[in-house]
Formats: sequence, structure tokens, C-alpha cells
Amino acid sequence: DAKTTQPNSMESNEEEPVHLPCNHSTISGTDYIHWYRQLPSQGPEYVIHGLTSNVNNRMASLAIAEDRKSSTLILHRATLRDAAVYYCILRDVNGGADGLTFGKGTHLIIQP
Amino acid sequence: DVKVTQSSRYLVKRTGEKVFLECVQDMDHENMFWYRQDPGLGLRLIYFSYDVKMKEKGDIPEGYSVSREKKERFSLILESASTNQTSMYLCASSALARGSTDTQYFGPGTRLTVL
Repeated sequence: DAKTTQPNSMESNEEEPVHLPCNHSTISGTDYIHWYRQLPSQGPEYVIHGLTSNVNNRMASLAIAEDRKSSTLILHRATLRDAAVYYCILRDVNGGADGLTFGKGTHLIIQP
Repeated sequence: DVKVTQSSRYLVKRTGEKVFLECVQDMDHENMFWYRQDPGLGLRLIYFSYDVKMKEKGDIPEGYSVSREKKERFSLILESASTNQTSMYLCASSALARGSTDTQYFGPGTRLTVL
């Protein structure tokens, strides 16, 4: 899987929007962009994924750059429960069934 | 709601003991995975299975084995536990082969301490 780069940590205030960036300059045309997050003392959970177009779901929005070399996970109104490590992962749609490759992710700190 | 359960949240074992970590999913998923998570190293894939009685080695299979006798259950076995296997163990499952936009669902994890 192609490599992703994320900031080590970010801090935001409660009830404000949060934009979590991810760079993936070597992304291929068949790579989907997936985001997972891991809350303290829990297993990772799926957040959102996309290919080319921006995506929205009940948890977040995913904005994908036109050249697909970067993407941004948007939490529209962060709460204290959103404090977690957020992972950006590329998945080749033509690959076989295998595990996810997690990088170090971004540790999101939410201030009350 | 999708559910992956792991038999224990916390486990303490002694060096040399045989350890079984059980994982059950109720989503009729084909694929199941075992990872371990260590500070500074992130999540690393130990083994995965894409069908009953099938298994594939991940990135760090040494010292581990697995068993998948039923579709919903995937067991991780430490034949002779060692202190360097002290870690958080995470089980996951997914519905589709990666030839689609698979999503993995994780259990809560088992924190294993080997003394």
C-alpha cells in the first residue's frame, strides 16, 4: 500500500470544526482513501472512505484534493468523545484480502 | 449493530504457558484478522483468514498460530508465551475481499501481560 503522512498531533476546542490532513503523494488510481480512529483503550473503528469525490456520513466528511495527493478528514463539531488517534490508510481496490497498514496517525486533543 | 467480541479484556500469563485468545464476530464475515499493537510500533498484522480452515501469515507470525474451525470464530494461540509477547491484541473482521472497498471491524482488544 502507498504511504501516507499525517501530523503527529493536533489540538482543537470543543464544538469547533477540526480538519485533519493526510498527504499521499504516491497514491495510485486504484487506491481508496480510508480513515479509522482509535479511542483510548478501544480497538480502531472505521470512520469514512472515498476514491475521488468528497464524501459525507454521520461521523465526518472527507475532502479529497483534485489531484488526490492529499485529503482532509473534517469533524464538523468536535466533542470530547472525538479525542482519539486518527489514521489515514490507502487501500488498493485490486489487492487481495489482507490486513490494514496503520501508520502513526494523528493524535487529536480536544480542549473543553 | 456489527459486533466483534474478544474473550478477555485483560489477561496475565506466565512465561511458557499456552495462551488462547478467542475472537467471535456476528456479521457472517469471510475475513478475520489478528493484530498486535505496541507503543511506537503501531498495529502489526500477525495472521489472517479469508475462509474457514484457511490462514495466511501476516507480518509477524513467529511465535503464534491460529485456528478457524467455524466462520464466526478465529483463535490466536501462543504455544509458549514469552515476555516479548506482552502486548495489546486486536481482532478484526471484514466482509469482502480487498477487491472492493472493505471495511474492517475491530474488537475491543485483549491486553496480555506475560510475566
